[in-house]
Amino acid sequence: EVQLLESGGGLVRPEGSLRLSCVGSGFTIKNYAMSWVRQAPGQGPEWVSTIAGASGGTYYATSVKGRFTISSDNSKNTVYLEMNDLRAGDSALYFCAKDVISTTTRYFDSWGPGTLVIVSS
Amino acid sequence: DIVMTQSPKSLAVSLGERATMNCKSSQSILHNSINKNYLAWYQQKRGQPPKLLIYWASTRESGVPDRFSGSGSGTNFNLTISSLQAEDVAVYYCQQYYITPSITFGQGTRLEIK
Repeated sequence: EVQLLESGGGLVRPEGSLRLSCVGSGFTIKNYAMSWVRQAPGQGPEWVSTIAGASGGTYYATSVKGRFTISSDNSKNTVYLEMNDLRAGDSALYFCAKDVISTTTRYFDSWGPGTLVIVSS
Repeated sequence: DIVMTQSPKSLAVSLGERATMNCKSSQSILHNSINKNYLAWYQQKRGQPPKLLIYWASTRESGVPDRFSGSGSGTNFNLTISSLQAEDVAVYYCQQYYITPSITFGQGTRLEIK
C-alpha cells in the first residue's frame, strides 16, 4: 500500500525558515514525480513544487521561486521542502503528493495527511 | 496560468438524487492530437487530503464507485454523482494538467445533504 507521511511543520516568524519532510512507503520515489501542494483554510489546493523522479529536475510556483527548494534522498525514500524567507501568505497545510508519472506534474494518486505551517509574529 | 472556475460554490442534494457540479477552464485543456482532456477531479472530506476520483476528464480511478462520472470537453466539464450517498459529503475540486508543471485547481464545490 502506498503511503506518504509529512513532518516538519510548525509556527515560524516571518522571514524564518522550515524544512518539511515526506517519507514514502510502498513505492519508490525515484520512479515518480513528487510534489508539494499547499492548501490555506477554506481555499483550493495550490501547487508549490515538483521534483521529477527520472531526471531530478525541479519546478516551482512563481510565488515560491527563489525561496523554496525541493530535494529528495532516494536512499531514504524521502522528499524535502526547504522553505526560507517565509511570509504570512505561506501559511497553509502542506501536502506531499505522488504523481502518476515520473517526468513532470500530471495528477496525484496518493497524498499524505499534510503538515501545518503557520507564519506569524 | 490556467484559471479553473467551479460552480456552484455549494450544493445541497437529497439522498439518492443526482448531484452535478461544473468546472470551467480559462482556456481549452483538450489536447487535440490525442483527443484527451487534461482534467482531474478530487474529493476532499473534512480533515482529509484530496482523493483522486477521475482523470482524463472521464476515467474513474480504481476503486471509485461507478455512481461518480465525469464528462465534458474543451473548457467545460461536469462531475456527476448519480445517486447521492451520505458518504459523498465532501468538497470536490477540479484540476488541470494541460500546462505542466504549473497545474492549477479550482476553488471547489461543497456538497451537502438536503
